[in-house]
Amino acid sequence: DVKVTQSSRYLVKRTGEKVFLECVQDMDHENMFWYRQDPGLGLRLIYFSYDVKMKEKGDIPEGYSVSREKKERFSLILESASTNQTSMYLCASSSPQSGARYSYGYTFGSGTRLTVV
Amino acid sequence: AQTVTQSQPEMSVQEAETVTLSCTYDTSESDYYLFWYKQPPSRQMILVIRQEAYKQQNATENRFSVNFQKAAKSFSLKISDSQLGDAAMYFCAYRSAWFSTGTASKLTFGTGTRLQVTL
Repeated sequence: DVKVTQSSRYLVKRTGEKVFLECVQDMDHENMFWYRQDPGLGLRLIYFSYDVKMKEKGDIPEGYSVSREKKERFSLILESASTNQTSMYLCASSSPQSGARYSYGYTFGSGTRLTVV
Repeated sequence: AQTVTQSQPEMSVQEAETVTLSCTYDTSESDYYLFWYKQPPSRQMILVIRQEAYKQQNATENRFSVNFQKAAKSFSLKISDSQLGDAAMYFCAYRSAWFSTGTASKLTFGTGTRLQVTL
């Protein structure tokens, strides 16, 4: 069964800490994404990556960075955690066919609920 | 930029009844995909149904069907014979159908509708 695995289901961190959220997929997907989910706001894209070492900002990148050193792993980094980054973080992956129509959806991880105190 | 709007934060349906969740979207593109995702308490996002904009026929998956009105930019989800296991957050999402090398086609989500199923 194909999977996107997020390393932590729940995480509690202190304000100012550097936080790493890890995501690993076993489907050899090119694209990986980090979303943030908040009540009443839905899912908002933070960053995405379409290849190793490649990244692009999403809609709300402020306060975050990402790393993709290997195809299967995509890390979200909170450089200095703040209380307004308390949220649910969802990782996803997808496989495009470059330049062509494709109809695949995303495969999501089961989320990391981060609390910053 | 594309936007997706779900105007019903919460809906309730009795078991075995039918419920319709609304979604509207805004785009200048002519070719795109629309999705409904389900997120149960386990948090795992599950693809419920997918619609290709160039297809006029509405998609159907067992008890789930959509009413896709391209001109009106409307994409509603109908759940027939509702079951307790249908209780979840439902998200409508949009994605462009085409992209070029070096980019990734992003999903744009609505704010979600929480569906309760009662006995």
